[in-house]
Amino acid sequence: EIVMTQSPATLSVSPGERVTLSCRASQSISSNLAWYQQKPGQAPRLLIYGASTRATGIPARFSGSGSGTEFTLTISSLQSEDFAVYYCHQYNNWTFGQGTKVEIK
Amino acid sequence: QVQLVQSGAEVRKPGASVKVSCKASGYTFTSYAIHWVRQAPGQRLEWMGWINAGNGNTKYSQKFQGRVTFTRDTSASTANMELSSLRSEDTAVYYCAKWDGVQLWPWGQGTLVTVSS
Repeated sequence: EIVMTQSPATLSVSPGERVTLSCRASQSISSNLAWYQQKPGQAPRLLIYGASTRATGIPARFSGSGSGTEFTLTISSLQSEDFAVYYCHQYNNWTFGQGTKVEIK
Repeated sequence: QVQLVQSGAEVRKPGASVKVSCKASGYTFTSYAIHWVRQAPGQRLEWMGWINAGNGNTKYSQKFQGRVTFTRDTSASTANMELSSLRSEDTAVYYCAKWDGVQLWPWGQGTLVTVSS
């Protein structure tokens, strides 16, 4: 099983700040990685797939990068609606990271 | 629009089974796979497996092999997930999601399954 490790576990930030979330795979997954945003009581929302392609309707402030084992999700200027938990997901053999909670500082 | 609507919350006793349905609309149901993912309280998302809605082929996560069954009803554009021999650790929100080869989207709204004596 490919283990996905996200860091940090929690990030305290102020609106308007730039945010960088990391995700590491225990073995190479090429670019078979997606990022999701989840708010309490809601289903995950797809943000990024193929490591760097924004899903339909996702604002340009969200961007993804990386390949192989190291991946990054960047939010260029955090908005109030972006406070949530973010998960990375590899679809080589289907496992998720443990999530990074982005909370208000 | 493309949408997946799941059945309502369920409560079961340990040892029982539960069946969750996922009704698709807005696309050709048989052209895509449906994946099932669950999330226990405060835990990460956990992949359970998928069903090819066209030919009915399935693949199950090893963790659930032997305990989970995916089916589909093409006339109703509905996928189903049945989990048996329930235990308290199966208490979770269960999600279905459409897979098009690169995107797991959209997701259903989730179905809470509570296992309690």
